[in-house]
Amino acid sequence: NAGVTQTPKFRILKIGQSMTLQCTQDMNHNYMYWYRQDPGMGLKLIYYSVGAGITDKGEVPNGYNVSRSTTEDFPLRLELAAPSQTSVYFCATRPGGPYEQYFGPGTRLTVT
Amino acid sequence: DQQVKQNSPSLSVQEGRISILNCDYTNSMFDYFLWYKKYPAEGPTFLISISSIKDKNEDGRFTVFLNKSAKHLSLHIVPSQPGDSAVYFCAARKETSYDKVIFGPGTSLSVIP
Repeated sequence: NAGVTQTPKFRILKIGQSMTLQCTQDMNHNYMYWYRQDPGMGLKLIYYSVGAGITDKGEVPNGYNVSRSTTEDFPLRLELAAPSQTSVYFCATRPGGPYEQYFGPGTRLTVT
Repeated sequence: DQQVKQNSPSLSVQEGRISILNCDYTNSMFDYFLWYKKYPAEGPTFLISISSIKDKNEDGRFTVFLNKSAKHLSLHIVPSQPGDSAVYFCAARKETSYDKVIFGPGTSLSVIP
């Protein structure tokens, strides 16, 4: 049982490039989330999903897109990367009911 | 505007002593509070929580205290152990809103052997 896995662990992008951050879970959780954490700041919610085919914006969605075609996967797409998107990105999942979120190990992204 | 504040970026404590991590919030709509712990190169893990109907919740060496009138909560770790060295995030949400969690910036705790 791997839990929540994120790939890649590290990535350096040039301004204007695009990429997809992968998040996969094997816990059959309905709820999945993407956060970013900037230095000295708390985690901020980018997008979340309450189940396959359903996504919704969080606090900081601009510059990102998501899709949720399966329960297991919740990829985060960056189009036209900008230096402001340099951050550590965390994926999280949650089962239904009164349970808290389980986080993946994170992807450190640098845009130069 | 930070809704959840942790004004101490770092804290050092001797092994065996008490660690006290503080957190303040501004949004009076929050009625459920959480602490997460994060080791380097890992994601945060849920540690302990408290509902606004309580003023204290205890789990082993970890106790969270809530002062609603002051909009302040604290996490006490007694006794502190070197393995407790990590970043601790305070977080808040409405009790029924599991998806909208607001995190503080974190406090880095170092427990010195």
